Amino acid sequence: EPEVTQTPSHQVTQMGQEVILRCVPISNHLYFYWYRQILGQKVEFLVSFYNNEISEKSEIFDDQFSVERPDGSNFTLKIRSTKLEDSAMYFCASSARELNQPQHFGDGTRLSIL
Amino acid sequence: SQQGEEDPQALSIQEGENATMNCSYKTSINNLQWYRQNSGRGLVHLILIRSNEREKHSGRLRVTLDTSKKSSSLLITASRAADTASYFCATDTKAAGNKLTFGGGTRVLVKP
Repeated sequence: EPEVTQTPSHQVTQMGQEVILRCVPISNHLYFYWYRQILGQKVEFLVSFYNNEISEKSEIFDDQFSVERPDGSNFTLKIRSTKLEDSAMYFCASSARELNQPQHFGDGTRLSIL
Repeated sequence: SQQGEEDPQALSIQEGENATMNCSYKTSINNLQWYRQNSGRGLVHLILIRSNEREKHSGRLRVTLDTSKKSSSLLITASRAADTASYFCATDTKAAGNKLTFGGGTRVLVKP
């Protein structure tokens, strides 16, 4: 069964450094998402992406964050200057259509900021 | 409670028993989805139920939706040790596109 893959599984970065989290969505999906889950807290929406542009973003997704689909398969989340509070599990998801379709999640990247 | 709140927060049962968990939400929804998360892993999609549906089944899973009460339930029948996980409901609304709002989850422990 097709699945969303994320790399790396764990990223350790010094505060202030840039980090890029990578995702390969399911191949025929058109809608892409990033969510994060801080340890012990709820999964939170960050951003949705369709047709090479952001559809919606949350308050968390400030100027330090950006997303890109650099080619036909990858979907990336960049954090420009990481803060301690960016430490979380970051999940990528994709869906075939925007409405009434399940979002399929990857296994996540655990980001640890030191 | 906030959009997508599950109860109980934790549930411990014996293998073979049924597990029931509930989700309540505040605003009108388009769809409600249930996900499973094993410790330290990703979210596995279980069932999507649309706002105009009342019940859906998938294997040992049964989901109900009562839009008048703004609540949903997930029933796992004949539980197995492998069902040990956290279970989350997530809602989306027409106003917010396909953005999912998650609840805090129910941690289920199935003892062999």
